[in-house]
This record gives sequence, C-alpha cells and structure tokens, in this order.
Amino acid sequence: AQKVTQAQTEISVVEKEDVTLDCVYETRDTTYYLFWYKQPPSGELVFLIRRNSFDEQNEISGRYSWNFQKSTSSFNFTITASQVVDSAVYFCALRGGNYQLIWGAGTKLIIKP
Amino acid sequence: NAGVTQTPKFRVLKTGQSMTLLCAQDMNHEYMYWYRQDPGMGLRLIHYSVGEGTTAKGEVPDGYNVSRLKKQNFLLGLESAAPSQTSVYFCASSLSRGANYGYTFGSGTRLTVV
Repeated sequence: AQKVTQAQTEISVVEKEDVTLDCVYETRDTTYYLFWYKQPPSGELVFLIRRNSFDEQNEISGRYSWNFQKSTSSFNFTITASQVVDSAVYFCALRGGNYQLIWGAGTKLIIKP
Repeated sequence: NAGVTQTPKFRVLKTGQSMTLLCAQDMNHEYMYWYRQDPGMGLRLIHYSVGEGTTAKGEVPDGYNVSRLKKQNFLLGLESAAPSQTSVYFCASSLSRGANYGYTFGSGTRLTVV
C-alpha cells in the first residue's frame, strides 16, 4: 500500500524564520515520483517540485529547498527566510506504479509578520 | 491562458438533485482526473481517464459517474447528491501518466449539498 504522512498539521512562525515541512512516504514500488504542491488561501493548487526515486540530489530554488532521503523515505521541504506570502497549505504527494497520486493531509503554514 | 477550466466554480444542491461538473483542457493531454478535497485531508481520486472514451474508478468512486466523449472534456456527474458529497472538486490532466510531465489542475469547484 502507498501512503504519505505529513505529521505537522499546522506550523506557525514569524517572518524571516526558516521552516521545514516534513513528508514521509511508504511504497513498495522501486520507481516512484514525489511532488510538493502549494495551496494558497485562494484555493488553487500550485506545483512546486517533482522528484523521481532515482534522483536523490537535493534541490534548491530560491528560498525553497528539498531534501530527498530514500533511506528514511522522506522528502522534506524547507523555506528559508519565510515571508507572509508563503502562508498556505502545503501538500506532499506520491505517484507509484499506477495512475494515482496519493496525497498527504497537508501542512498549514502560517507566517506572522 | 491554456490550462484546465472547471465549471461551475460554486454550486449549492439540495439532497437528491443531480448535476454535472465540466472539466475542459486545451493542452491535448491524454490523461484526466477528478479529485475531491475534504477539510484536513489531501486530495482523493474519484475517477480518471487514460484517453478519449475510457474511464476508470479511483479511490472513492461511489456516488459519481464520469464520461470522456471528447479528449478535451471530462465530465463528473452526481446522480443523486448527498450531504457527504459536499467538497471541493478538482480536475487535473497530464500528458502521460504524470510522472515526467506533471499534472495541471483546475481552480476547483466548491459544491455544497444541503
């Protein structure tokens, strides 16, 4: 069975702090893909990153970085120097050998000015 | 802009009424999906289609039907709406299985069944 766990239901930090969102996944597939999406208060889903199981390199994009570790089945997301505009719900998702994207429950991130 | 368009954006239904949600994409994507999002949960797949004329059940298909008569359109039907179907519905499409090219999502339809 495939599963994605985002244990942090809600995180609140003050602007400019760094924050890490955790994502732990379960799958028996050897080939799989991991995604992060952002859902701002307006409700749309914004694609952030896709990573396949063969690529364990960490990725940095501006203030965003992702740490993929197969040994711990984790794909964590860090925002450096957070900003109020980063406030949103963040979802981690897994796609294995079938057509389905399995989603975590999401982490609500609140950035206080 | 090119992408996935969902109509309507909001709808209130009475229990037992029927309705159809329309999803249209102009990216020539083969794969299309319908998800529902409930509070405190991630998206769950209702039905999906791997091409024109095909449909398949996802994780939570009960109470819904779908059709893909044209490649660009994927319709989600509720024959007899129930309060448990109150949710936000997202349509998505992908060029292939989504792994290499990602998924494009619509802006969602907020459905309330009273």
